[in-house]
Amino acid sequence: SQTIHQWPATLVQPVGSPLSLECTVEGTSNPNLYWYRQAAGRGLQLLFYSVGIGQISSEVPQNLSASRPQDRQFILSSKKLLLSDSGFYLCAWSVTGNTIYFGEGSWLTVV
Amino acid sequence: AQSVTQLGSHVSVSEGALVLLRCNYSSSVPPYLFWYVQYPNQGLQLLLKYTTGATLVKGINGFEAEFKKSEASCHLTNPSAHMSDAAEYFCAGSGLNNDMRFGAGTRLTVKP
Repeated sequence: SQTIHQWPATLVQPVGSPLSLECTVEGTSNPNLYWYRQAAGRGLQLLFYSVGIGQISSEVPQNLSASRPQDRQFILSSKKLLLSDSGFYLCAWSVTGNTIYFGEGSWLTVV
Repeated sequence: AQSVTQLGSHVSVSEGALVLLRCNYSSSVPPYLFWYVQYPNQGLQLLLKYTTGATLVKGINGFEAEFKKSEASCHLTNPSAHMSDAAEYFCAGSGLNNDMRFGAGTRLTVKP
């Protein structure tokens, strides 16, 4: 069966510090991978998605980046965090045309 | 790119009443459409999905959605609301480039 793991679960970082959130999927090959941010009243905001290794589509963020170094690994990064980067981040995977499966989520607080 | 709009951030109905949650999408090609439910402090659970075929799709817990291409809509309905249906509901759509986008969500309140 397929599983998705995301870490760390919670993170408190000072403004200007770097960020690395990691996500791995097991039990499937060549999944579509996603990073979302969930905020109250705004639903799930799509940040990045990837349909293959090294293929990243960016939607919104200016100081966030994503990388897919391996087929089932997706990393969300920042070189310098802003206060506005605080939030709940979700990694997810899907197969084209099918439902999306989410990781456990990561709470990021930038102080 | 596919985009999804949910009309109404909050819907309140009485127990036993009809539930109607609205969702419109924008795309030039038929999308994949989904409805998810999120109960408090839980993750998202799939209610139903539309890909191809029948335009009326039945999901879990008595929910169903009708896909209307002419209106670019995929509204979610339930003929009789239960207290346990109180939750946040998300419409999502994915185009052929696999970008899965979610609406802002609609919070359903069920009054006794």
